[in-house]
Amino acid sequence: ETGVTQSPTHLIKTRGQQVTLRCSSQSGHNTVSWYQQALGQGPQFIFQYYREEENGRGNFPPRFSGLQFPNYSSELNVNALELDDSALYLCASSLEFQGVHEQYFGPGTRLTVT
Amino acid sequence: GQNIDQPTEMTATEGAIVQINCTYQTSGFNGLFWYQQHAGEAPTFLSYNVLDGLEEKGRFSSFLSRSKGYSYLLLKELQMKDSASYLCAAMDSNYQLIWGAGTKLIIKP
Repeated sequence: ETGVTQSPTHLIKTRGQQVTLRCSSQSGHNTVSWYQQALGQGPQFIFQYYREEENGRGNFPPRFSGLQFPNYSSELNVNALELDDSALYLCASSLEFQGVHEQYFGPGTRLTVT
Repeated sequence: GQNIDQPTEMTATEGAIVQINCTYQTSGFNGLFWYQQHAGEAPTFLSYNVLDGLEEKGRFSSFLSRSKGYSYLLLKELQMKDSASYLCAAMDSNYQLIWGAGTKLIIKP
């Protein structure tokens, strides 16, 4: 069984640039959630995708967007990067979005915006 | 609004017992999760409670009181490797997780 993977591991971008982060779900999981975790804070929910459709969104501006592909892998896109976007971005996959299912986290992408 | 509160930091001694408290307020409730996160790593699942009472799993136990909006994680026979952040997360009516800021646990020899 393959775990959740994310790429890249680390990334440095300049303010105003755009970035794409990638996530591969655990085998058999059709739901992916993305989180932003600032240093010393808990994860903040960005959005969730279920079978290629957005299924819930947190309090993030529209410049945060995503995609889920037929194989359930996912992308997080952030446009017009701001300094405050510097954080660890975590993706988590789960079996279904309804019902209670444990979320399995990837190792995260550390984004630094300068 | 939705809110999770837990202490920022706690210190305990190797071999001792520590209890990390969490209070929550969510729109609907579908259970309470505890995750462990070592520095620079992803969170890993520890426990899930949806009914009142204590769930025991080895050295770790988790308790829930729905009427009080309260949970705690109990760690026994502390080991140095237990030094980590412990995240409390409540699942709301939309099955979304609302996370606390985490409790950094420091274990001293």
